[in-house]
Amino acid sequence: AQKITQTQPGMFVQEKEAVTLDCTYDTSDPSYGLFWYKQPSSGEMIFLIYQGSYDQQNATEGRYSLNFQKARKSANLVISASQLGDSAMYFCAMREGSRIIFGKGTRLHILP
Amino acid sequence: GAVVSQHPSWVICKSGTSVKIECRSLDFQATTMFWYRQFPKQSLMLMATSNEGSKATYEQGVEKDKFLINHASLTLSTLTVTSAHPEDSSFYICSALSPAGARVYEQFFGPGTRLTVL
Repeated sequence: AQKITQTQPGMFVQEKEAVTLDCTYDTSDPSYGLFWYKQPSSGEMIFLIYQGSYDQQNATEGRYSLNFQKARKSANLVISASQLGDSAMYFCAMREGSRIIFGKGTRLHILP
Repeated sequence: GAVVSQHPSWVICKSGTSVKIECRSLDFQATTMFWYRQFPKQSLMLMATSNEGSKATYEQGVEKDKFLINHASLTLSTLTVTSAHPEDSSFYICSALSPAGARVYEQFFGPGTRLTVL
């Protein structure tokens, strides 16, 4: 069974608009963590944001925020004021024990 | 943030040869490192967890005799693809677990190694 689900294989967004990338997860472990990574065409994995399962507030890092809805098991990434440089592949991931499992990713295209 | 390097960044080899990929944590000690492979336009698939001084833990379906992992020191883990075949061509990425006492549980990724087997 898929542990991390990203339902949007691709998205096109106009520059300067906000964008929400969806992620749902499945775990029975009460202690877990959720991550978002960005992978540009160069292939490097860039850490964006982290949310622990016990964190009371939604994580924010600059233009990135994580909309954590624990009851729904969702951890959507919100990028405000999108820029052309945001065009990349975005992966949601979950820490389960010592392992981190990745979703299939969403390819985001920012249009000028 | 912490820096992880990989060497080589790309390699082309003939079918049947073995290829070694190095993963180094440059400014911190990493007791745990991870190896992933990524096919074009696909997600990262965890291959194994490498712990310093002990045997690696392989994910289901990954051949341990095919993909040899050695974590001989706190800053170096190696992945050897033995008797490589064209289907082993992929992008291999390593990561190192954040050092003890880090603010969050985080992995620091290397830049990846693109392996092409002819």
